[in-house]
Amino acid sequence: AQKVTQAQTEISVVEKEDVTLDCVYETRDTTYYLFWYKQPPSGELVFLIRRNSFDEQNEISGRYSWNFQKSTSSFNFTITASQVVDSAVYFCALSEARNYGGSQGNLIFGKGTKLSVKP
Amino acid sequence: KAGVTQTPRYLIKTRGQQVTLSCSPISGHRSVSWYQQTPGQGLQFLFEYFSETQRNKGNFPGRFSGRQFSNSRSEMNVSTLELGDSALYLCASSPGRGRSYEQYFGPGTRLTVT
Repeated sequence: AQKVTQAQTEISVVEKEDVTLDCVYETRDTTYYLFWYKQPPSGELVFLIRRNSFDEQNEISGRYSWNFQKSTSSFNFTITASQVVDSAVYFCALSEARNYGGSQGNLIFGKGTKLSVKP
Repeated sequence: KAGVTQTPRYLIKTRGQQVTLSCSPISGHRSVSWYQQTPGQGLQFLFEYFSETQRNKGNFPGRFSGRQFSNSRSEMNVSTLELGDSALYLCASSPGRGRSYEQYFGPGTRLTVT
């Protein structure tokens, strides 16, 4: 069965600190996609990144970086030098590739990690 | 390009009533998915439509239904509302076919059932 676990319910940091959000997933498929979304208080889910299961390269985008490790089924997200504007709920999600044959498939979301960045 | 729009943004209904929520995808997108977000269950997939056909369905009772029109706009309907249906309902649109991984979410409709 597919499952995404975000063990950290809430994290509070002070501005400029680095913070890592953990994500562990379970799937039986060999081909799958992993996502991170940000949900600010407005409620809209903002897409951050998508990785497929064959691409284990870490990715960096500005202050954001992602560490994908198939050996531990983890897809962790690090924010460097956090800012108050980073305060939001962050969701990790999984979708199995067989869903993409014709279907968008459904995203399996973790419960989210609420990040609070204090000035 | 305009983003995904959802109407209404807020809704208050009474238990037993029914409700219809609307989602207009990004122009050119043919796939629409619906998700329910509650504090207890988190984000859960409801169903997905592509070219007016339901392609995928989550584990929700039959009171939850949806449809998609020829212009790709989608509606979801919840009949016989229960208190537990209070949630944020999010719609996501996708180009479909080969780019199904691109999901763009709308701002959601917050439904309160009293």
